[in-house]
Amino acid sequence: GAGVSQSPSNKVTEKGKDVELRCDPISGHTALYWYRQRLGQGLEFLIYFQGNSAPDKSGLPSDRFSAERTGESVSTLTIQRTQQEDSAVYLCASSFTSGSQETQYFGPGTRLLVL
Amino acid sequence: AQSVTQLGSHVSVSEGALVLLRCNYSSSVPPYLFWYVQYPNQGLQLLLKYTSAATLVKGINGFEAEFKKSETSFHLTKPSAHMRDAAEYFCAVSRFTGGGNKLTFGTGTQLKVEL
Repeated sequence: GAGVSQSPSNKVTEKGKDVELRCDPISGHTALYWYRQRLGQGLEFLIYFQGNSAPDKSGLPSDRFSAERTGESVSTLTIQRTQQEDSAVYLCASSFTSGSQETQYFGPGTRLLVL
Repeated sequence: AQSVTQLGSHVSVSEGALVLLRCNYSSSVPPYLFWYVQYPNQGLQLLLKYTSAATLVKGINGFEAEFKKSETSFHLTKPSAHMRDAAEYFCAVSRFTGGGNKLTFGTGTQLKVEL
């Protein structure tokens, strides 16, 4: 079966432009997470979706960041007016359920470079 | 707040030698702990997880980790390194809030295996 997929794999943009990153979770997975991995740092939690519940946006670094998910399908992470500090690898993960012992399955990430 | 610290951003071993990657955690509640591996240009893959059952956890590819509460450690080991083990390894602790299982990651350890 297919794993978590993300697109594009690489994105180069100019400062001030908007970008949209896409995540296709594993079919049937109700939980979906976005993380950011800056160079030389660990992953930072950004946002969490569980089914049709309101998302947990507590990790979003600024109001330039937003994300959407329709039901239990595709999610998009949008960064408006990109800044150079937004350069990072953005990773998406999905899991069958959300619980303390769940296993999150990660996509390959989107490498974003803001010039 | 929960956190993990990985000692050594780069570890180099000879093929056939013992692999030891260190992880210490900080948690105010009994933690759930994970080790993930990231091969070049791939997403994170779960190696193993500790969920308060056996303190010695066996994972894939011959890796194992031991939870030591007295030392707040969860070090990853493998008796004999193989070239294919060269990758980046991340330790993570989870914080299940009822609104998502947010993983907090360490900064990663790059494992190099030499002939």
